[in-house]
Amino acid sequence: DAGITQSPRHKVTETGTPVTLRCHQTENHRYMYWYRQDPGHGLRLIHYSYGVKDTDKGEVSDGYSVSRSKTEDFLLTLESATSSQTSVYFCAISLGTGAYEQYFGPGTRLTVT
Amino acid sequence: GENVEQHPSTLSVQEGDSAVIKCTYSDSASNYFPWYKQELGKRPQLIIDIRSNVGEKKDQRIAVTLNKTAKHFSLHITETQPEDSAVYFCAASISYGQNFVFGPGTRLSVLP
Repeated sequence: DAGITQSPRHKVTETGTPVTLRCHQTENHRYMYWYRQDPGHGLRLIHYSYGVKDTDKGEVSDGYSVSRSKTEDFLLTLESATSSQTSVYFCAISLGTGAYEQYFGPGTRLTVT
Repeated sequence: GENVEQHPSTLSVQEGDSAVIKCTYSDSASNYFPWYKQELGKRPQLIIDIRSNVGEKKDQRIAVTLNKTAKHFSLHITETQPEDSAVYFCAASISYGQNFVFGPGTRLSVLP
C-alpha cells in the first residue's frame, strides 16, 4: 500500500464549514496528489505537489487549497464546504525517479449536508 | 487538455470468457497509460501499465495493447474469474509526476 494513510476516513460536515483532510506517507516520495471520485467521472485531480511547499492546481481546484510543509504530509482544505464537494477523496503518491506509477491511499468519504 | 474516453461503461461476461475494455485519448503527447482496478469500497489498484515505446504488455491473464496512431489502448482479461468483478479505470499521462487524466470507468461483472 506504499505506506499511505488518510485521515479521517469518514466525515460528515455542514455547508459553510472548513474541512481539512490529511494524507500521510512514510516512504519519502516527492510527488503527492489529491483526487476526488464521483460516479460517472472517474478520478479527477484537485491539486498536486512536487516537493515541500511546491504545489499546483489540477482540473477541479476551485474551492480547495493544499499545503505541504513536510515531505510526509499533504493537506487538502475545503475552505467553505458545499454540497457539491460531497465525494470520496483519494490521495496518491508517485514512486521515485524514472517511475510513473501512482499509488493510492484508502480514501476519505466526505458528506456535506 | 487531455481527454480520455472509455467503453463500455458496463460489461458482463461469463466466467472463463474474455473481457476487453477500450480507451481513447486526445493528446498525442501522452506517453504513459496505466490501468487500475477498484473493488467496491476500496482504493484503485494499479494492475498493468504501458509506455508509448511498447505496443503490447502481458502479465498472466491480463494484457494491454497500445495503438499510438489511432490514439487508443485496450485492456484484455482472459479466462475471467468472479474475483475480476470490479470497476476498471484507464488513464493517460503526458509527463512524469504530473497530471493523470482518468477515463470514467468500466464496471465489469463476471457471472458464474
